[in-house]
Amino acid sequence: GENVGLHLPTLSVQEGDNSIINCAYSNSASDYFIWYKQESGKGPQFIIDIRSNMDKRQGQRVTVLLNKTVKHLSLQIAATQPGDSAVYFCAENGENAGNMLTFGGGTRLMVKP
Amino acid sequence: SAVISQKPSRDICQRGTSLTIQCQVDSQVTMMFWYRQQPGQSLTLIATANQGSEATYESGFVIDKFPISRPNLTFSTLTVSNMSPEDSSIYLCSVAGGRDTQYFGPGTRLTVL
Repeated sequence: GENVGLHLPTLSVQEGDNSIINCAYSNSASDYFIWYKQESGKGPQFIIDIRSNMDKRQGQRVTVLLNKTVKHLSLQIAATQPGDSAVYFCAENGENAGNMLTFGGGTRLMVKP
Repeated sequence: SAVISQKPSRDICQRGTSLTIQCQVDSQVTMMFWYRQQPGQSLTLIATANQGSEATYESGFVIDKFPISRPNLTFSTLTVSNMSPEDSSIYLCSVAGGRDTQYFGPGTRLTVL
C-alpha cells in the first residue's frame, strides 16, 4: 500500500449505512465544486460536481449538498459498500479561470463489513 | 472522460539524481496540470503545462527544480531535478475536462533515498 490518507481525518461506517463526508471551503468566489475519490494506489477519480446556482445534486448512490451561506459542502453516500473505502477530496475553483482547482484536506472513509 | 497514463508508475531514486515523468492522454486537451501529493496529504498544484510555451508555476515551485515540457496537445513531462528525500511523493498529471473539471492519471510514486 501507500501513505495516501495516513494522516487524514477518518470516518468509519458499517457496511449498508449511509456516509456523510464534509468539507469547508474557503473562497466565497468559488462557483464550482467537485468531489473526488482516491483509492489506494490510484489517482483521484471524479465522483460528482455541483455549481453554485444549485444546492443539491444527485448521482448514483451519491448526493452532493452545497451551503453557500456557511461555505460548506457535503458528500452523502447511500448504502455504503466496502468498495467505497477510499480517501475523498473536495475541490473548488476559487477565483481561477481555466479549470484550475484548489483541493481540500481529504477524509478517509473506512467501511466495516 | 480522457484516458490518461503515466510512466513510470513508481520509482526509487538516489538523492541528487533526476527523474522524468511522462503523461500521455488519448485525446487532444487544451490544459494539462501537474500535482504533488506528499504522504498522507492532499494535492498541491505544481504548474500548468502550456502547449508551445513555458509552464506556469505556482508559488513555491520553480522551473529549475521542476522543468516541464508540453510538446503537443496529448503529452507532457515533469522532471524532478536534484532529488532529495523530501521529494518523495506521488506526482499526478491531470487534464481539463468539460464542466470545468479535471481528470487525473494514475500517478507516479517516487521514493528518494
